[in-house]
Amino acid sequence: GENVEQHPSTLSVQEGDSAVIKCTYSDSASNYFPWYKQELGKGPQLIIDIRSNVGEKKDQRIAVTLNKTAKHFSLHITETQPEDSAVYFCAASMRQTGANNLFFGTGTRLTVIP
Amino acid sequence: GAGVSQTPSNKVTEKGKYVELRCDPISGHTALYWYRQSLGQGPEFLIYFQGTGAADDSGLPNDRFFAVRPEGSVSTLKIQRTERGDSAVYLCASSPWTSGTRGEQFFGPGTRLTVL
Repeated sequence: GENVEQHPSTLSVQEGDSAVIKCTYSDSASNYFPWYKQELGKGPQLIIDIRSNVGEKKDQRIAVTLNKTAKHFSLHITETQPEDSAVYFCAASMRQTGANNLFFGTGTRLTVIP
Repeated sequence: GAGVSQTPSNKVTEKGKYVELRCDPISGHTALYWYRQSLGQGPEFLIYFQGTGAADDSGLPNDRFFAVRPEGSVSTLKIQRTERGDSAVYLCASSPWTSGTRGEQFFGPGTRLTVL
């Protein structure tokens, strides 16, 4: 099955700086890569996703890049704010005419220092 | 609009007992997923429903775990003879999955299960 690795496990940045979280996946058939933000006591919230036919996607301060050849993808948050502090999870799945089970990384705890 | 809801938010039970966890998906979402999240880990897939049928239950750890979705909306995850190792947050997600969509999944707040 798919194996997703995520680094770093913790990340502290000063407010206004950028944060980058990196993930690798093992199954070349995976074609959908979402990123989730999870705050304490809440369920994961989808913040951005990318499909394998696209190399980069941006939504305001958040961007995701995908390198299919190397099987890795990254989340970039610019101009970080204290409210960006949370645990971030990357995930991968092989979307097909059936299940779209997500395989998650182990998470990155991001702390934005005011 | 209303998101995915899960009840109860917390459940404490004793080893060996039976528990039921409920998920109300977003209205109109045909796909429903259950995941389990242990402390400090990412969610792990348990089971997937498309409509009323369990299309993929390969993530269920053993036969003590069972889930139903009789009318294609609300789902119940059932755990028999609970063990301390079952303690985790159980997450439900629904998706408007149809051909041509991204198949994005929207998660509920989870049920925190503690087995004493």
